[in-house]
Amino acid sequence: GQQLNQSPQSMFIQEGEDVSMNCTSSSIFNTWLWYKQDPGEGPVLLIALYKAGELTSNGRLTAQFGITRKDSFLNISASIPSDVGIYFCAGRQPGGSQGNLIFGKGTKLSVKP
Amino acid sequence: NAGVTQTPKFQVLKTGQSMTLQCAQDMNHEYMSWYRQDPGMGLRLIHYSVGAGITDQGEVPNGYNVSRSTTEDFPLRLLSAAPSQTSVYFCASTQLSTDTQYFGPGTRLTVL
Repeated sequence: GQQLNQSPQSMFIQEGEDVSMNCTSSSIFNTWLWYKQDPGEGPVLLIALYKAGELTSNGRLTAQFGITRKDSFLNISASIPSDVGIYFCAGRQPGGSQGNLIFGKGTKLSVKP
Repeated sequence: NAGVTQTPKFQVLKTGQSMTLQCAQDMNHEYMSWYRQDPGMGLRLIHYSVGAGITDQGEVPNGYNVSRSTTEDFPLRLLSAAPSQTSVYFCASTQLSTDTQYFGPGTRLTVL
């Protein structure tokens, strides 16, 4: 089935640094979502994007729906220790059954205090 | 408003045993789904339901059954557990108007 390529797979950053991660696909998507999963918990929705070029912020997090509709980016500014976790992108393709999302494999973020 | 709840939180089974993972949501969402999460594999869709009485298979349905008798509940059944089913299982409920899925806290299952 369709896969989302999420990169990087993992990253270590210094507290206070900015973080960037992205998700790409070979086909277009109508919706892009970004989730964060804390250890031992379920994924929690961070940001939802619905149209090409859309740029949306949620506190220190900013995500963009790529203009080609084949990619999305998530940026975290001034990282702090509680940003640790796994970040997943997810999307829905045109014509895809509503509710059926495709997930990336995640970016594991670790912060050095 | 509890959102999506799952029970149990942890479970250990022996090969061949059966069990049901419970999932309930109080958001009146029509769409619900079950995922398994394995290291390096991300979230893989097992089964989903677009409404009471309607279920369908996802990417990895073998070894699992589901039913949807009410809007609120969507249990996942393992009829004969196998070690390959050791995983973390997440139930999700979707608000279709915004395409956003809400996840439960997960069930960590170990099959010996």
